Amino acid sequence: QQQVKQSPQSLIVQKGGISIINCAYENTAFDYFPWYQQFPGKGPALLIAIRPDVSEKKEGRFTISFNKSAKQFSLHIMDSQPGDSATYFCAASPSGYSTLTFGKGTMLLVSP
Amino acid sequence: GAGVSQSPSNKVTEKGKDVELRCDPISGHTALYWYRQSLGQGLEFLIYFQGNSAPDKSGLPSDRFSAERTGGSVSTLTIQRTQQEDSAVYLCASSSTGFTGADTQYFGPGTRLTVL
Repeated sequence: QQQVKQSPQSLIVQKGGISIINCAYENTAFDYFPWYQQFPGKGPALLIAIRPDVSEKKEGRFTISFNKSAKQFSLHIMDSQPGDSATYFCAASPSGYSTLTFGKGTMLLVSP
Repeated sequence: GAGVSQSPSNKVTEKGKDVELRCDPISGHTALYWYRQSLGQGLEFLIYFQGNSAPDKSGLPSDRFSAERTGGSVSTLTIQRTQQEDSAVYLCASSSTGFTGADTQYFGPGTRLTVL
């Protein structure tokens, strides 16, 4: 199965700081890149997604940056809040009737 | 409307026993997915049902794992002769069309399986 490599495995950020999570992929057929947020005891929920025709997408405090040539994409959380403490998963897939390939997740802790 | 529901929420079983995990997708969703989440391993794809097409079973780790989807709605994941390495959270997701990039996968809360 094609891999999506995610880093770091865990991250501690102070309240108000910027959280950055990185992902890299191998399969050049991937053209849909979502990020999911998971709180303890809950299933993952879609946070934000990007397609490779744009290099950046912003929704509120959450921004995806995409570098097609490097086959990398990242999630930036601006003004991080304690309520953002969760596990974040990047994922990728080709468009079409397909499944998502997920990274291994990043546990984010935002300290008050 | 209601989201994806899964039952049971927790299941403890003894090694060698069979277990069945249930998923009720969002009404009207044609696509249904099963994933396994192990500590530090992310979400591992298991099986994907798309409408009336044959399911994509490419992620099933062994022939002890099987799944069915009855009437295009409820799905059951069956694990036969459970092993301790099967201990994980099993997540179900559904989407309206299954066309990734066009719609969203909505996840249930998962079933935590513990094999003693």
